[in-house]
Amino acid sequence: GAGVSQTPSNKVTEKGKYVELRCDPISGHTALYWYRQSLGQGPEFLIYFQGTGAADDSGLPNDRFFAVRPEGSVSTLKIQRTERGDSAVYLCASSLNLTPDTQYFGPGTRLTVL
Amino acid sequence: DAKTTQPTSMDCAEGRAANLPCNHSTISGNEYVYWYRQIHSQGPQYIIHGLKNNETNEMASLIITEDRKSSTLILPHATLRDTAVYYCIVRAPRFTLVFGKGTRLSVIA
Repeated sequence: GAGVSQTPSNKVTEKGKYVELRCDPISGHTALYWYRQSLGQGPEFLIYFQGTGAADDSGLPNDRFFAVRPEGSVSTLKIQRTERGDSAVYLCASSLNLTPDTQYFGPGTRLTVL
Repeated sequence: DAKTTQPTSMDCAEGRAANLPCNHSTISGNEYVYWYRQIHSQGPQYIIHGLKNNETNEMASLIITEDRKSSTLILPHATLRDTAVYYCIVRAPRFTLVFGKGTRLSVIA
């Protein structure tokens, strides 16, 4: 079946702009996770959803970052007033339930802030 | 705090077994050991996980020591397509994955 998809695959924006990154999880997966990966580092947790609610958003770096999952399926990560330091690959993953189910990752969105 | 220690890099000859070690001396009794890998420019891929028993699937085997303080991921017959960064993860109580820097495995023809 279809895996996790993310759009766009690449996004170039200017400092100060607003961006939205989209994640389509595997159908039927109730848990959805966002991670951020900087060059040479492992992925860093941002937020995860169980259904429509954010169960843990402790990884969001500041209030410029926000994520929603209004219908319990597709999720959007929103970044306001982007900064050059936000440049990274943003990864989405989904799992059938919470632990110990495995997480299946999408290909990521590469965000570049000029 | 990733809670795991892995070598930065390893080489393995094509067709030979690749044995990737991981130390997790502070693991708690209810924490699982997960292995993921990330091929260049792709998202991480789940390989295998275990609690205390050894596990095997179509991709790999996971050997966990009796005291659970370390584990080894075994790729029985490494191919060039197995070249990737391999992450050993002790799953945090918050149900999220805490990645370290992993081991960069290079399979050499």
